[in-house]
Order: sequence, then structure tokens, then C-alpha cells
Amino acid sequence: KAGVTQTPRYLIKTRGQQVTLSCSPISGHRSVSWYQQTPGQGLQFLFEYFSETQRNKGNFPGRFSGRQFSNSRSEMNVSTLELGDSALYLCASSLDSSNNSPLHFGNGTRLTVT
Amino acid sequence: GQQVMQIPQYQHVQEGEDFTTYCNSSTTLSNIQWYKQRPGGHPVFLIQLVKSGEVKKQKRLTFQFGEAKKNSSLHITATQTTDVGTYFCAVVYGNKLVFGSGTILRVKS
Repeated sequence: KAGVTQTPRYLIKTRGQQVTLSCSPISGHRSVSWYQQTPGQGLQFLFEYFSETQRNKGNFPGRFSGRQFSNSRSEMNVSTLELGDSALYLCASSLDSSNNSPLHFGNGTRLTVT
Repeated sequence: GQQVMQIPQYQHVQEGEDFTTYCNSSTTLSNIQWYKQRPGGHPVFLIQLVKSGEVKKQKRLTFQFGEAKKNSSLHITATQTTDVGTYFCAVVYGNKLVFGSGTILRVKS
């Protein structure tokens, strides 16, 4: 079974631009969660999607948004990029709600904002 | 604020020594998950604990869930160089899976 696939692996953007990251979950997994990982803040929860609905949202500004498609694939978008948005963005899928099911992470997208 | 406190932040051990990381919560937990992230890699699920006082073993790794379900520990016996990485606990808080700050383990051979 293929694992969680995230694209692209690396991205370099400049301040003010916007970016879209993609995540394909493990086949059969209905929940997709997104996390931001930085050395200083660790793993910070962004949002969770289940059956195309956002179930939970973390404490991030409205510039961070996401969606999930009918095939469970998910995208997250960051608009008006800031230097502080530079981070590893990790997507994780699970069979059911992330509250009870183990998360399976992708390799992440490394975003650098200059 | 931080919902779960994980300590220590960093530990450097000699190969063969034991290692323990702890997670503490101020509130009672429904369950706790543990993950390992190798340098340059992504977090990988290790185990989930659900029951009060639960102890689970995976080879040299021992996981415990406190009686009050407010704390948990991961103990590695006789560390090996393959154990290096960051170990995270993750708990449900406000219906979200929140990760601890992680413990970085380095092993000297």
C-alpha cells in the first residue's frame, strides 16, 4: 500500500506570494491532518479534514487554509507569505479521526520564504 | 499554552545506556500516542496507550500510561545508534491531536 504522498518536496517563495501544498493520503484513509514543524515551535496543528469537512483548526491566521476533495486528497494554501512561514509542512492521514487512529505522515514539504 | 509537557528536551547517552522520556498533562487524557522522528525524516507512529496503568513493550522499548492517565513514559533499554531521533508524545486536547515538544536522543558509540 502506498504511503502518504506530499508534493512538492521543496519550495522557495518570496514574501507576499502564495503557495499551495498537496497531500495524497493512504488509500482508504478518510482523515487528513496538517502540521507545521519548526525548530523553535515543534509540531503545530494546522487543521484536520474528514470527508471533505474541516473538523478542527489550530491557532493559525486566516492566511492558512485548506480543503479536502471527494477522493480524500487534501491541499493547504498559505497566502501573503511571511518569513516566519518557513517550515516543514507535514500531512498525515488516518483511517478515522486523528483522536483515536494512528497518524501516518508524509515526507513533508520544506517551504522556504525569502 | 502548552497542553502537554515533555521532558527532557534533549538527552545524549552512551550506547548501551538506558533512556527515558516523560510526558505530563494537567488534565486527564483519553489516550496517548508516541511517535519517533529520525533526523531528516517524518514522525512515525510507535504505539497508543488507552488504559490506566497500561504497560506495553516493543523489544527494547517500554511504554507506560500513568494510573491517573495524566502522564506517560517511554523507556529504551540499552540504547543503540539506531535509536537516535526525536521522540514525541501526542495527546487529544480540544478534539485535536496535539504533540509534545519532543525529546531529542543522541547516542554516542
